[in-house]
Amino acid sequence: EAGVAQSPRYKIIEKRQSVAFWCNPISGHATLYWYQQILGQGPKLLIQFQNNGVVDDSQLPKDRFSAERLKGVDSTLKIQPAKLEDSAVYLCASSLSSGRPPYNEQFFGPGTRLTVL
Amino acid sequence: TQLLEQSPQFLSIQEGENLTVYCNSSSVFSSLQWYRQEPGEGPVLLVTVVTGGEVKKLKRLTFQFGDARKDSSLHITAAQPGDTGLYLCAGISGGYQKVTFGTGTKLQVIP
Repeated sequence: EAGVAQSPRYKIIEKRQSVAFWCNPISGHATLYWYQQILGQGPKLLIQFQNNGVVDDSQLPKDRFSAERLKGVDSTLKIQPAKLEDSAVYLCASSLSSGRPPYNEQFFGPGTRLTVL
Repeated sequence: TQLLEQSPQFLSIQEGENLTVYCNSSSVFSSLQWYRQEPGEGPVLLVTVVTGGEVKKLKRLTFQFGDARKDSSLHITAAQPGDTGLYLCAGISGGYQKVTFGTGTKLQVIP
């Protein structure tokens, strides 16, 4: 079974530039997550999709971050304009169904390491 | 905002030693997960605990969920270099099974 795919793996940009990340979840997984992880810390949820609808984006800085999940499959996360503090690893994860308690195993991609200069 | 505090933040031990990592919150969770993350990779699920007071064992790893479902611990017996990594607890709550990750514990096991 193919895992969660992310691209690019690394990205270096200057502040005020824009950047986009792409995620392809595991086939059949209804729920998709984007996390921001500062080095050595736990991931912070940015946005959670159930199919192609947003169920949680309370921690997404909406003035600069946006995300979409077209047709309930692939997703893109965009930052425009980037700030120095956006330097982090951006992780994408998917799970079979968030509506099936109590288990919710997430499968993570390798992440995209963003450096903002 | 739900917070999950892990302690210690860093741990460096010799191979063969035992250790315990704690995960504490003031919030109640329907279940709690533990993940391990290695450099350059995403976290990988180790276990899910669901019932208050539940204990699960995974080889040399023992996981416990607090009676009140607010805290958890991870105990590693006879640590090995392969146990090195970032350990993350994650609380699950709400109808959409929102996942809140802890602050992380970086473990280094020295051969």
